[in-house]
Order: sequence, then structure tokens, then C-alpha cells
Amino acid sequence: DAKTTQPNSMESNEEEPVHLPCNHSTISGTDYIHWYRQLPSQGPEYVIHGLTSNVNNRMASLAIAEDRKSSTLILHRATLRDAAVYYCIRGIGGSQGNLIFGKGTKLSVKP
Amino acid sequence: SQTIHQWPATLVQPVGSPLSLECTVEGTSNPNLYWYRQAAGRGLQLLFYSVGIGQISSEVPQNLSASRPQDRQFILSSKKLLLSDSGFYLCAWKAPGPTTQYFGPGTRLLVL
Repeated sequence: DAKTTQPNSMESNEEEPVHLPCNHSTISGTDYIHWYRQLPSQGPEYVIHGLTSNVNNRMASLAIAEDRKSSTLILHRATLRDAAVYYCIRGIGGSQGNLIFGKGTKLSVKP
Repeated sequence: SQTIHQWPATLVQPVGSPLSLECTVEGTSNPNLYWYRQAAGRGLQLLFYSVGIGQISSEVPQNLSASRPQDRQFILSSKKLLLSDSGFYLCAWKAPGPTTQYFGPGTRLLVL
């Protein structure tokens, strides 16, 4: 099964860090791990992606376990605008790079 | 920079009518293109992808079809819409190689 496992929902307080977990125990060596987030009635927004090493960008950090069977998206300081559904996705290896979406984690941010 | 457009933004169609949704990408060449559908409260389901002009791969059997008449144009069609075709349709593009996909704003389709 190419899908990942994420908690259905999480809550965070504004200005606090958020750690969103994801399990992908059947990932293969060439599959990238992608994170997207989606606000209601909008298309998914790219957040970050990586293969083996931890990754940082202006939006978030991605911590990938050494065995690559799990990863964690880290939002360093949650804001109200970070409230969204977060999808952790395996990018299937190959030139087409298909993404298999699961149900994601609905993140709520409390002021 | 690259941009992706979809239209229309919203569409209400009767059952049995035809459908044509268009997606265009600017600022890149030879992108991989994708059509997804998202039913209410659900995740995204990949419908079609294309790695080049005239090359279409279908992920799920359905009454929809896709075409790529130009390098940066991707069209989703149906000859006769079903109630179950209602949903949020998203187009995405990806540059060749190990990069990620970028999504358009989507088209919300309601079949009555």
C-alpha cells in the first residue's frame, strides 16, 4: 500500500511549535516524502519534500527517520494561517513522480 | 516564475451533459501534468497524468477522459456527466526529474 499513516487531527496553540507525524513503513529507497497543506476550497500548497536528509525551508522543517519509515513535519511557530489539512505523501519513484494522497491531518490552531 | 491556471472556477451542470475543464501552465516547458479529483471531505484521487503531448495515462476507470493537445495544456472531458462526478478537480504540474508537484486553484463541479 502506497499510502501513509497520519493522525486524523491535531491541535496547537498559536506561537508554539507543531510536530506533525507520518508513518510510511513500506517506503522504497527512491520514494520522496512530500508534504502539502490544503485550506478549504483551495488547491494543495506545497510545503516541503525530502529523500533521506532533514530539510529546512522558509515554511517548515522535515525530519526524516534514519530508517525512512517515518517523518515529522515541524512548524516552528504556529500561526492561525497554518490551520489546514496537512498531507504526508509518498512520491512514487519514476519520471512521472505520482503522489498518492491519504486523508491527512487536520491541524487546528488556537489563539 | 511558473503559474498554473484552471477554468472555470465553478461549474454547475445537469446529469448527462458534456464536460470540458481546462488547465494551462506558464513559465515552464515539457512539464508532467496531472488531473486529480477530491470528493467532499476526502483526499485527492489521481485521475490522469501526462508526460508529454498526446501521452495520457489513466489511473482509475471512469467516464472521464483527458487530452493534452499542447505542451502546457491539459483538458479533462466527459461526454455524459454522472451525479458521482461532482467534486473539486485539481490540475497539477511537475518539472521533469525528482521534483514536486504544484497545484492549480481547482474547479468545483456540481452535477445536478
